[in-house]
Amino acid sequence: GNSVTQMEGPVTLSEEAFLTINCTYTATGYPSLFWYVQYPGEGLQLLLKATKADDKGSNKGFEATYRKETTSFHLEKGSVQVSDSAVYFCALSSNNAGNMLTFGGGTRLMVKP
Amino acid sequence: NAGVTQTPKFRILKIGQSMTLQCAQDMNHNYMYWYRQDPGMGLKLIYYSVGAGITDKGEVPNGYNVSRSTTEDFPLRLELAAPSQTSVYFCASSPLGQTNYGYTFGSGTRLTVV
Repeated sequence: GNSVTQMEGPVTLSEEAFLTINCTYTATGYPSLFWYVQYPGEGLQLLLKATKADDKGSNKGFEATYRKETTSFHLEKGSVQVSDSAVYFCALSSNNAGNMLTFGGGTRLMVKP
Repeated sequence: NAGVTQTPKFRILKIGQSMTLQCAQDMNHNYMYWYRQDPGMGLKLIYYSVGAGITDKGEVPNGYNVSRSTTEDFPLRLELAAPSQTSVYFCASSPLGQTNYGYTFGSGTRLTVV
């Protein structure tokens, strides 16, 4: 079956540091890949997505590239801000699972001023 | 568009009480889902529905029931509340046949059972 593995948190960074949150997946076929962000006390919001190999999703300074050869979709940001403190979820969907998303366990990011 | 609306936002229940968590979406999405999120943990799927009149169990359905009489609404029922059901509950929806869309989530219901 499909699965998503994320690096465990929390990840603690100073403001303006470089961020990488690793995400790898197992899936049959050609999945679409997503990053969701959950700010404290809120629901999950779609941050970015990529629907085919070598696509790069980007939003709010975050980027992730769909790497089929390494089955990865790592989230990066060049300079984090305190306001980026949140929980980040990697997810995938594939045709063999209908519309269902498979989520990773989430990674908490804490950015210190 | 309102998207996915969940009510109430907060609720405290006593053990053994029952309640219904409401979820409504105005995007004409066929698929709807209920998740729970325990503190510091990821999401666990409780129930889902692929359309009006059709529901199916997810990973953790025990203690819950759902119905889907309309495309818009997908209420989650707790019949005999237990402390183990203390959690944050999220409803989500997605359109039929668009696996590259992802989900739209509601803002959640924080439930405490005492």
